[in-house]
Amino acid sequence: GEDVEQSLFLSVREGDSSVINCTYTDSSSTYLYWYKQEPGAGLQLLTYIFSNMDMKQDQRLTVLLNKKDKHLSLRIADTQTGDSAIYFCAVPNTGTASKLTFGTGTRLQVTL
Amino acid sequence: EPEVTQTPSHQVTQMGQEVILRCVPISNHLYFYWYRQILGQKVEFLVSFYNNEISEKSEIFDDQFSVERPDGSNFTLKIRSTKLEDSAMYFCASSGDIRQRMEGYTFGSGTRLTVV
Repeated sequence: GEDVEQSLFLSVREGDSSVINCTYTDSSSTYLYWYKQEPGAGLQLLTYIFSNMDMKQDQRLTVLLNKKDKHLSLRIADTQTGDSAIYFCAVPNTGTASKLTFGTGTRLQVTL
Repeated sequence: EPEVTQTPSHQVTQMGQEVILRCVPISNHLYFYWYRQILGQKVEFLVSFYNNEISEKSEIFDDQFSVERPDGSNFTLKIRSTKLEDSAMYFCASSGDIRQRMEGYTFGSGTRLTVV
């Protein structure tokens, strides 16, 4: 089945850029997603990228997709303390009712 | 903005008891899912549901688990005889058809199940 990997932890200073990386195995996914989970809360869809795109920018968020290497990244510009959370990349499997496979999650810590 | 609603937000139950976790998916969505997240671990798929039947289930979703859409709006997860290792946050999610997948899968805020 699908395997999705992320680094576990990232610490950045407020104002710097954060880059969270993700690798996956199933290359047939149509959309790939980034979700944010704040402490004790649910999963909030942050952004997505369509598989025929290399890059998508959405305000402070930039998603890069390298399909050849099966590598997805999320860049947060001007990182704020409110960005501290766990970030999950999520990849749908093939099929109509395609389930999402989540990465291990990257805990982003923003320091002053 | 439409949302997925889950109740209760927190449930404590004794080992061996049955629990029912409830979800109201987004009304025009067609696909429904349950996921769980054991504290500090990754979000794991349990089951997907479409057209009133299970589409796919994981190895976790054994005979102790069942799902139902009893009335066209609610989507429930039942655990027949809870074990300590069932303690986790359970998330319900729904999604539209493939053309709507750019909207992603909408998750509820979860039910924290504690088995004692």
